[in-house]
Amino acid sequence: GENVEQHPSTLSVQEGDSAVIKCTYSDSASNYFPWYKQELGKRPQLIIDIRSNVGEKKDQRIAVTLNKTAKHFSLHITETQPEDSAVYFCAAHSTDSWGKLQFGAGTQVVVTP
Amino acid sequence: DAGVIQSPRHEVTEMGQEVTLRCKPISGHNSLFWYRQTMMRGLELLIYFNNNVPIDDSGMPEDRFSAKMPNASFSTLKIQPSEPRDSAVYFCASSLSGREEKLFFGSGTQLSVL
Repeated sequence: GENVEQHPSTLSVQEGDSAVIKCTYSDSASNYFPWYKQELGKRPQLIIDIRSNVGEKKDQRIAVTLNKTAKHFSLHITETQPEDSAVYFCAAHSTDSWGKLQFGAGTQVVVTP
Repeated sequence: DAGVIQSPRHEVTEMGQEVTLRCKPISGHNSLFWYRQTMMRGLELLIYFNNNVPIDDSGMPEDRFSAKMPNASFSTLKIQPSEPRDSAVYFCASSLSGREEKLFFGSGTQLSVL
């Protein structure tokens, strides 16, 4: 089955700096890669996703890149703000495992003013 | 739309008791997922349904756990008997079809088994 590894587990950045979170996946059949943000005590919420036929996607201050050959994808947050502090999860969906999203272990991002 | 609705928000019970968690998916969504979240194991998929039919329950920890979806607007996750190691946040999520679709999570049920 699919295995998703996520690094780093914690990330502390100064407000205004950029944050980068990296994930690798094992199943070459994976074709959908969402990122979820979970604030303390809240539910995970989708912030951006990318499909395997696209190499990069951007939405305001967040962007995601996908390298299918290397089987890794990354989340980039620019101009970080205190409200970006949360746990971020990457995930991968494989066409071989219908409906089943495999989540990474999560990255705790702390943005300090 | 009210989103995915879970109840109760918090449940405190004693070891050995039966626990039932409830979920109402977003109207029109055909797929429903039950996840468990702990610090040690992260987000684990327990079971998911498509059109009310269980598709994959390989994530259900053991026979003490069971899930049902009697109709398109309601699902339950039952633990009987409960144990302290079942303490976790249980999330229900739904999506339009289950295939590469955005997951909408409920607010979760914080379960504490004493």
